[in-house]
Amino acid sequence: DIQMTQSPSSLSASVGDRVTITCRASQNISSYLNWYQQKPGKAPNLLIYTASSLQSGVPSRFSGSGSATDFTLTISSLQREDFATYYCQQSYSTPPTFGGGTKVEIK
Amino acid sequence: EVQLLESGGGLVQPGGSLRLSCAASGFTFTYYAMNWVRQAPGKGLEWVSSISGSSDNTYYADSVKGRFTISRDNSKTTLYLQMKSLRAEDTAVYYCAKDVDYYGSGRGYFDFWGQGTLVTVSS
Repeated sequence: DIQMTQSPSSLSASVGDRVTITCRASQNISSYLNWYQQKPGKAPNLLIYTASSLQSGVPSRFSGSGSATDFTLTISSLQREDFATYYCQQSYSTPPTFGGGTKVEIK
Repeated sequence: EVQLLESGGGLVQPGGSLRLSCAASGFTFTYYAMNWVRQAPGKGLEWVSSISGSSDNTYYADSVKGRFTISRDNSKTTLYLQMKSLRAEDTAVYYCAKDVDYYGSGRGYFDFWGQGTLVTVSS
């Protein structure tokens, strides 16, 4: 199975900050990398698919980049509603696997 | 509007069985693979199983293979997960998730999710 490693596991930031979360795959997954946001008690919500494509309805302050083994999710200006846990997921091969999550907290 | 509504969760003893359902609406159900993804309390996301649009292909995580069975009834636009020989480590919120892909072979991603149903395995 492909292992997905996210860093950091948690971070504290202020409204308006630029936030970057990284995800590393244990092997080359091309651009088959997706990002989800999950708020407490809620289902995950798709933000970014195939590394850099913004899902319909997701604010443009979210962006994704990377290829092969190293990927990044960036929030250009953190808003209060962005405090949540973020997960990456590879869709290169079965089984699809998720990173361990990055919790973004209020500083 | 896409809607996915899970049901069937609850408390079950170790070794017991449970069947989860996910009623889908708002999209052409037969066109898309469907998935179950679970989340243990305070933990991350774990993909459990997927099924292709026509039920020709099914896939399972090693952790549930031989114990869980995924199925779908396209006439009822409903997804199922039959769970047997349940263990404490199966305790989790179970989400059904719509795939963007027809085949469900792991090459898709999950664009809509249900609200989840909690399964607790305990004596």
